[in-house]
Order: sequence, then structure tokens, then C-alpha cells
Amino acid sequence: EPEVTQTPSHQVTQMGQEVILRCVPISNHLYFYWYRQILGQKVEFLVSFYNNEISEKSEIFDDQFSVERPDGSNFTLKIRSTKLEDSAMYFCASSEVLGGPGNTIYFGEGSWLTVV
Amino acid sequence: GNSVTQMEGPVTLSEEAFLTINCTYTATGYPSLFWYVQYPGEGLQLLLKATKADDKGSNKGFEATYRKETTSFHLEKGSVQVSDSAVYFCALHLIQGAQKLVFGQGTRLTINP
Repeated sequence: EPEVTQTPSHQVTQMGQEVILRCVPISNHLYFYWYRQILGQKVEFLVSFYNNEISEKSEIFDDQFSVERPDGSNFTLKIRSTKLEDSAMYFCASSEVLGGPGNTIYFGEGSWLTVV
Repeated sequence: GNSVTQMEGPVTLSEEAFLTINCTYTATGYPSLFWYVQYPGEGLQLLLKATKADDKGSNKGFEATYRKETTSFHLEKGSVQVSDSAVYFCALHLIQGAQKLVFGQGTRLTINP
């Protein structure tokens, strides 16, 4: 079964450093997402991406965050200057073209980011 | 607004017990409903889904029925196993508008042998 893959699985970084989390979405999917889950809390939507641009972002997704699809397969999340409160599990996800009911969003296994 | 409320956890059961995890939702439109599962040390996996009222989603012995009249999507399993120990997330997805999932807070389930 096709799957969303993420790297790294775990990264430890110093406060203020830049971090790039990478994702390879399912190949025929056109919508891409980042979600995050702070330890013990809800999974929260960060951003959705379609047709090489952000289609929606949450208020969490401030100027410190950016997303990019640098080639035909990768989808990245960059955090420019990490803060302690950015420590979380970051999930990449993808889905087929919006249009039908029950359009399932498939998640990767997550990248656990620890900011120290 | 759109939100999902799940039964407070943690839930601890013995093997072969009957499981119910309650989930209710508030939505401005007509959502699709999902249950995702997160096993220890792993990511989110889709467990089951339902896209319209009275639909029943099922997978791995788990079931949930989309009840529009009570705005609920309770997860049930007749006989749980130790391997079902995980965190379960109820979520909604609006067909119109934002292409995103809104999650409940998650319910941690532990099954003892």
C-alpha cells in the first residue's frame, strides 16, 4: 500500500536554529499538509498546500514557518528559528484532489522535533 | 465553529471486553467522520471512516456509525485485544471549504491481558 514517508524520524535542535522536515507524499496525491501534536495534546492543523501554493494555514503557522515543494516528490516544512514550544511531533499528510465525499487524508509516521 | 469532543481517557479494559469510545461533533457543514489510531511509537493510521448519515465504517473488528441526529460517531469493538492498546482520535473533515481535519483530543486505551 502506498504511504507517506517522513524524515528525520527524530531531530534534536538548539533553540534559534533552523530545521527542515521532509516528506514524500503519496505519488498521485495533489493536496499536502502539515499537522503537529505537542506531547499530550490534540493533533493540530498547520497548513495545506495545493498547486504549489498554500491553500490554508492556521494561526500557529506564523512567519517562522514555511513550506515548499522543491521538486516533484518532496514536500518540506521549514522552521526558521526554533523555539522551545516548537517541540512536537510533526505529521505530513496527503490526499487526492478535493472533490468527493470521504476524501481520506493519509498521514506519515511523524517527525519528532525536540528543541533544547 | 467546527469541533470534535471525545470521551475522556485513559480507558483501561481487560482483554475480550466490549469497547465504546464516545465521539460527538459540531460542524457548520456536512462532514465526513473518521477514526484514526496511533499505536505506541507510531504515526496516525486511518482506522475507519463514514461519509454520510447512517453509514457504518468498519475495520479490524471496530465499527462506528454516523449519527446525524445525535451528531455522534462512537467507536465500538465487541472483544478487544491487548494489541488494540493505542490512542484513538475522532476527526471530522468538511467537504466544502478548508481541506483539513479537525481532531478530538484523543482517548488513550490500555487493554490488560
